[in-house]
Amino acid sequence: QKEVEQNSGPLSVPEGAIASLNCTYSDRGSQSFFWYRQYSGKSPELIMFIYSNGDKEDGRFTAQLNKASQYVSLLIRDSQPSDSATYLCAVNGNQFYFGTGTSLTVIP
Amino acid sequence: NAGVTQTPKFRILKIGQSMTLQCTQDMNHNYMYWYRQDPGMGLKLIYYSVGAGITDKGEVPNGYNVSRSTTEDFPLRLELAAPSQTSVYFCASVDSNSNQPQHFGDGTRLSIL
Repeated sequence: QKEVEQNSGPLSVPEGAIASLNCTYSDRGSQSFFWYRQYSGKSPELIMFIYSNGDKEDGRFTAQLNKASQYVSLLIRDSQPSDSATYLCAVNGNQFYFGTGTSLTVIP
Repeated sequence: NAGVTQTPKFRILKIGQSMTLQCTQDMNHNYMYWYRQDPGMGLKLIYYSVGAGITDKGEVPNGYNVSRSTTEDFPLRLELAAPSQTSVYFCASVDSNSNQPQHFGDGTRLSIL
């Protein structure tokens, strides 16, 4: 079992819809959780972080964390074509682990 | 505050050549990492360092070497370049005493021909 697992996609949503990205992790001692966005040919860019159970909202982005289920998600509301990218989930427990990423395409 | 700086941005090598990818950070982060990312794939950890003088292997260390003589610098060495090492290389750093994310450099695109 990988430390961090994501559905590789590709995930396609129409412009204006909600995109839902999911991530599970294996280390129950993990303390901090991050979502990075990576455009093709560019380095990963942090877009959200969450430390506590529940929801955290920042603009069109909402991160959701459920430590009991070892599950973290990212919701993107009113999706825009500029949101088309690969989204990486990262978890920091004993070590820092990245998922392999979910490719998102927003269709105009 | 420059963050994590990687040089060069692009490089083409011939098979069997050697080179060093440079990485430096100015945030006084204790942990530093080298990843490679092949087209359409996720990040794979090559080596990491938890502080000056301490390095350890990641998932794909074969064909690479690293050193960490200072907190700021973490160079990655390719001794005998092979076509399988064609990839984009990212350096990252983090303060392990915080809950902060890893900070990434802009990457080095390396082609071995």
